[in-house]
Order: sequence, then C-alpha cells, then structure tokens
Amino acid sequence: DAGVIQSPRHEVTEMGQEVTLRCKPISGHDYLFWYRQTMMRGLELLIYFNNNVPIDDSGMPEDRFSAKMPNASFSTLKIQPSEPRDSAVYFCASTKWDSPIYNEQFFGPGTRLTVL
Amino acid sequence: KNEVEQSPQNLTAQEGEFITINCSYSVGISALHWLQQHPGGGIVSLFMLSSGKKKHGRLIATINIQEKHSSLHITASHPRDSAVYICAVRGYNTDKLIFGTGTRLQVFP
Repeated sequence: DAGVIQSPRHEVTEMGQEVTLRCKPISGHDYLFWYRQTMMRGLELLIYFNNNVPIDDSGMPEDRFSAKMPNASFSTLKIQPSEPRDSAVYFCASTKWDSPIYNEQFFGPGTRLTVL
Repeated sequence: KNEVEQSPQNLTAQEGEFITINCSYSVGISALHWLQQHPGGGIVSLFMLSSGKKKHGRLIATINIQEKHSSLHITASHPRDSAVYICAVRGYNTDKLIFGTGTRLQVFP
C-alpha cells in the first residue's frame, strides 16, 4: 500500500493567494483527518470526515479555511485568502473503523506551507 | 493549562540508557496514543492504549486510567530512537485527538 499521499510537499505563496492542499487516504479507510502543526501550538485537529461527511470542523480557524471530501479517495483543504500566520505543516491522516487496532491513524508526509 | 501535558520537554541520553517519557491528561478518555515524529517530519503511530500495558520491540507503553497518566519507555536506547514523541488522547464518543506538545529525545552514541 502506498500509504497516505499528500501534495504538494512544499508550497510557498504570497499573502492573499489561494492555497489548495490535497490528500489521498489509504484505500478502504473511512476516516480522514486534517491536522496543522506549528512550533507554537504543536499538532491541532482542523477537521475530520467519516465516509466523506464532515463530522467535526470546530478546529477550522476561520472562514478562510474550507475542506471537502468529494469521494472516498480524495480530500482538499483550501485557504483563501492565505495569511503569513497560516504558515505551518499540514498533515492528513486516515484510519479504518473496524481495524483490530481501531483508530490507529496513518499519517501522510505533510505539506509544508509558507505564506510570505 | 493544557489538557495533555508531557514531560520532559527535552531529553538527551547516551546509547543504551533506559528512557521514560511521561504524559498526564485532565479529561476523561477512551484511548491514548503515542506517536513518533522523526527529524524528517513523518509521524508514525506507535501505540494505542485504553488500559494496562503494551510492548513492541524495545518500546513499552503503560497507562493508569485512575491517575490519568501514561508512560512510554524505551529500553536499550539507540541513536535511531532520536525523535519527537507525542502523546494524544481521545475523549468519549469522539474520534478527535488532543495532542501534547511532544518530548524531543536525542540519543547520542
């Protein structure tokens, strides 16, 4: 299995630009999580989906952030407009409900976002 | 006060030493996770615990639900164990994880 795939791995953009981060979960997994990691705040959950439906988006910082999961194999996290304080590493993770090790989350390699 | 506290924040050790990293939490939980983040940034799940103790190779994780405390032990530490170790808890009736700030471990040869 290829594991969780994220793209791009690095993104540098200017303030005000739209940024789209992409994630392909492990095939067969029915939960998908978006996290943000910064030096100041560590890892934080932004939003998670179950069977493509958003379950909890209380971690999404503000309306500039949006996430979609149009099908079981693809999710996007969009920031519009981007701001320098959005600079962070964004991780996607997936898991499967009925795994013997239920809720072990498999993390993607992350997208390092820099907003200038 | 953070809901999940880890100690120490930083830890250095000589190869072969026994390592203990602690995690305390203040909320009711259904499970606790230990994660490892290598210098390259990748995150790997090491353990998920809801009670007792689990062992995988040189790694041992324990949890005391009554005391709201978990420990991660590394026996015979090796430089390749150098990483950030992160504790995370999952509350009841939720799949959300709340993370500690991590413990940075460096093991020197």
